[in-house]
Amino acid sequence: GAGVSQSPSNKVTEKGKDVELRCDPISGHTALYWYRQSLGQGLEFLIYFQGNSAPDKSGLPSDRFSAERTGGSVSTLTIQRTQQEDSAVYLCASSLNRVREQYFGPGTRLTVT
Amino acid sequence: DAKTTQPTSMDCAEGRAANLPCNHSTISGNEYVYWYRQIHSQGPQYIIHGLKNNETNEMASLIITEDRKSSTLILPHATLRDTAVYYCIVSDYKLSFGAGTTVTVRA
Repeated sequence: GAGVSQSPSNKVTEKGKDVELRCDPISGHTALYWYRQSLGQGLEFLIYFQGNSAPDKSGLPSDRFSAERTGGSVSTLTIQRTQQEDSAVYLCASSLNRVREQYFGPGTRLTVT
Repeated sequence: DAKTTQPTSMDCAEGRAANLPCNHSTISGNEYVYWYRQIHSQGPQYIIHGLKNNETNEMASLIITEDRKSSTLILPHATLRDTAVYYCIVSDYKLSFGAGTTVTVRA
């Protein structure tokens, strides 16, 4: 079956611009997560959505980062006024519920120049 | 989240079992032990997880000590495609990867 998909696969943007990253989770998965992985760094949790509950935003590094999940399916991660330190691979994952296995998408590689 | 300690790297012969240890002495009662792996430039792949009991699936087995302070991931018959970085995570649901163990399977 179809896995988690993300778009774009690569994004190069100038410092100060806004970017939107998209995630399509596996159909029927109520839990959706955003992570980022910087070069040489481990995986860093950003935000978690579960059904209609309020999202867990505890991992967002600054107020320039926001995310929404429309209709319990597709999610968009928005980074405003991008900085060079935002350069990383942004990964989306989904799962049936929060303690079940998470299935990851291929990621979006963001480069801020 | 509790921290984990894993060896930096290990080699394994193709066809042999690979035993990957992980220490998580500060794990709390509601935290699961998760194992994921990541092959270069791909997204992480789920392997297995457990709370208290040992678990087995088509990919691997997970052995958790009775005090839950350590665990071992067992790949029963390693293949060249199992070469990857393996991450042990203890968490309720938010994953956070450290350096992991770089496993190299050799023919």
